[in-house]
Amino acid sequence: GDSVTQMEGPVTLSEEAFLTINCTYTATGYPSLFWYVQYPGEGLQLLLKATKADDKGSNKGFEATYRKETTSFHLEKGSVQVSDSAVYFCALWVNTGGFKTIFGAGTRLFVKA
Amino acid sequence: DAGVIQSPRHEVTEMGQEVTLRCKPISGHNSLFWYRQTMMRGLELLIYFNNNVPIDDSGMPEDRFSAKMPNASFSTLKIQPSEPRDSAVYFCASSLTRDANEQYFGPGTRLTVT
Repeated sequence: GDSVTQMEGPVTLSEEAFLTINCTYTATGYPSLFWYVQYPGEGLQLLLKATKADDKGSNKGFEATYRKETTSFHLEKGSVQVSDSAVYFCALWVNTGGFKTIFGAGTRLFVKA
Repeated sequence: DAGVIQSPRHEVTEMGQEVTLRCKPISGHNSLFWYRQTMMRGLELLIYFNNNVPIDDSGMPEDRFSAKMPNASFSTLKIQPSEPRDSAVYFCASSLTRDANEQYFGPGTRLTVT
């Protein structure tokens, strides 16, 4: 079945460090891929998306590239800030006889000053 | 746009009581989703509606849970009777069906059942 696997957290980094959060997926058809972010006490917000292979989604310094050959969509940021501390969810959307969105378990990021 | 609106933001109730959570989706959106989030289980899809019709309720835990969408601008999630294990944050999200892959979440309702 369709699924999303994210690296387990928490991930703890110092400010200005490089961030990678791994995400791999299993899906039938041609899914769209997303990263959502959840700040403390809030709902999820769309961070970036990619709808086809080799697309790169980017927003607020975050990037992720849709890699069909490795079924991956890893989230990266070159220099994290304390304000990036949040939970990050990888998700896929498929439309095979009815659409559905599947979320990963989430990865908590702590950034220290 | 005001975004997805949920009420109440916090609810504390005693076991056995009825609880009703409310959601107003973004105007023009025709898909609506109810999720539950806990530390143990993460984010779980409970039910989603398209054009006010329930499409998939396979995530609804048991008969104590019910959801309605009487019109395009309002939905409720009801738990009757509530139990302590129902304590969680409940999120409502909406999207445009033609672009259903992008969901907009409300701020959530934190439910505590004592």
